[in-house]
Amino acid sequence: QKEVEQNSGPLSVPEGAIASLNCTYSDRVSQSFFWYRQYSGKSPELIMSIYSNGDKEDGRFTAQLNKASQYVSLLIRDSQPSDSATYLCAKSGTYKYIFGTGTRLKVLA
Amino acid sequence: GAVVSQHPSRVICKSGTSVKIECRSLDFQATTMFWYRQFPKQSLMLMATSNEGSKATYEQGVEKDKFLINHASLTLSTLTVTSAHPEDSSFYICSAEQRGVGLGNEQFFGPGTRLTVL
Repeated sequence: QKEVEQNSGPLSVPEGAIASLNCTYSDRVSQSFFWYRQYSGKSPELIMSIYSNGDKEDGRFTAQLNKASQYVSLLIRDSQPSDSATYLCAKSGTYKYIFGTGTRLKVLA
Repeated sequence: GAVVSQHPSRVICKSGTSVKIECRSLDFQATTMFWYRQFPKQSLMLMATSNEGSKATYEQGVEKDKFLINHASLTLSTLTVTSAHPEDSSFYICSAEQRGVGLGNEQFFGPGTRLTVL
């Protein structure tokens, strides 16, 4: 089992809809979780970090963490075509960060 | 805040030459920096973890004599690709870890360096 798993997609949603991106991880030790956005040909950009169970909201983005289920998700409200990108889930590991392979999101105008 | 720069953004070189890439944290001090490589349409691959004042820790399969990493200050890490060959052509991305106060640390990425070896 991979340490961080994501569906590669693509996930297609219409403009204005809620995009839901999911990520599972394999251990109960990790404390910190992150969502990054990566546009094609660019480097990843940190969207949000989450450390506690529950929801964390920042603008149109909401991260949800459930440590018991080893699950972290990212909701994007009012999706825009400019949100089309690959979304990377990551967790803190021992002296490094472990990334999933990313979910490609397409927001259809 | 939390800005990481990388230079150069793009480099084209001949096979056999060495290329140095610089990574700087502009508005924070970074004890730890990371170097990644990404091939087209593939995932990020961690190459090494760079700690200020000590030797880098390389991931399995990454040749430390080919990819020289130096982290001489709290704001600068360099990656030198020695005797580059066409198979080293890739997108090299650095990141710097910002220590959190009360919360966890966060990792911020530089804009990347696209290396093409002819």
